[in-house]
Amino acid sequence: GAGVSQTPSNKVTEKGKYVELRCDPISGHTALYWYRQSLGQGPEFLIYFQGTGAADDSGLPNDRFFAVRPEGSVSTLKIQRTERGDSAVYLCASSLTTGAPAEAFFGQGTRLTVV
Amino acid sequence: DQQVKQNSPSLSVQEGRISILNCDYTNSMFDYFLWYKKYPAEGPTFLISISSIKDKNEDGRFTVFLNKSAKHLSLHIVPSQPGDSAVYFCAASYSGTYKYIFGTGTRLKVLA
Repeated sequence: GAGVSQTPSNKVTEKGKYVELRCDPISGHTALYWYRQSLGQGPEFLIYFQGTGAADDSGLPNDRFFAVRPEGSVSTLKIQRTERGDSAVYLCASSLTTGAPAEAFFGQGTRLTVV
Repeated sequence: DQQVKQNSPSLSVQEGRISILNCDYTNSMFDYFLWYKKYPAEGPTFLISISSIKDKNEDGRFTVFLNKSAKHLSLHIVPSQPGDSAVYFCAASYSGTYKYIFGTGTRLKVLA
């Protein structure tokens, strides 16, 4: 597709359950990012992939959060033992990397609600 | 510790007038700044960027100004249009990293 695609657009889950959020980046973009946006806040960095490897995972809040990008394209953010505080909009973005920071293109996000 | 701050949560401007959105940062290592616009239920959309080697970048109705000594940047929209009504986020990054640090956003309402 032309833009970054995220599925599902909405996810409601019970506390303690496991969830997976998917991101399809723009074709040809080697960099992929996950951000989390809580109400009234700006997007908060979680993890950045360069190709298949996580180049920077310093934003993951704890070991319940994990992300993969096995073939350097689609990425999955996985959250184990979800807590109500995990409720937020999870944004994925992708960009070309040319040796300098470049604008990232965001998907529409997945709204996660933990009840 | 909020490294990127947008101290005005909201701003209302009459159509046709200038909108000025402000952003302050604390980390002197930041050397690349971006503005994103966000409509409800959509992801942020890139608007304009500026490198620290410049003090101004213009793209149509949008101009970003950077004052490195004051660690301050601003986005000017002129003339403002009702379709500009959205939440605007300032973001910063620095060489050697590709992650962006976002501010908390300013909700702009352009009144017709």
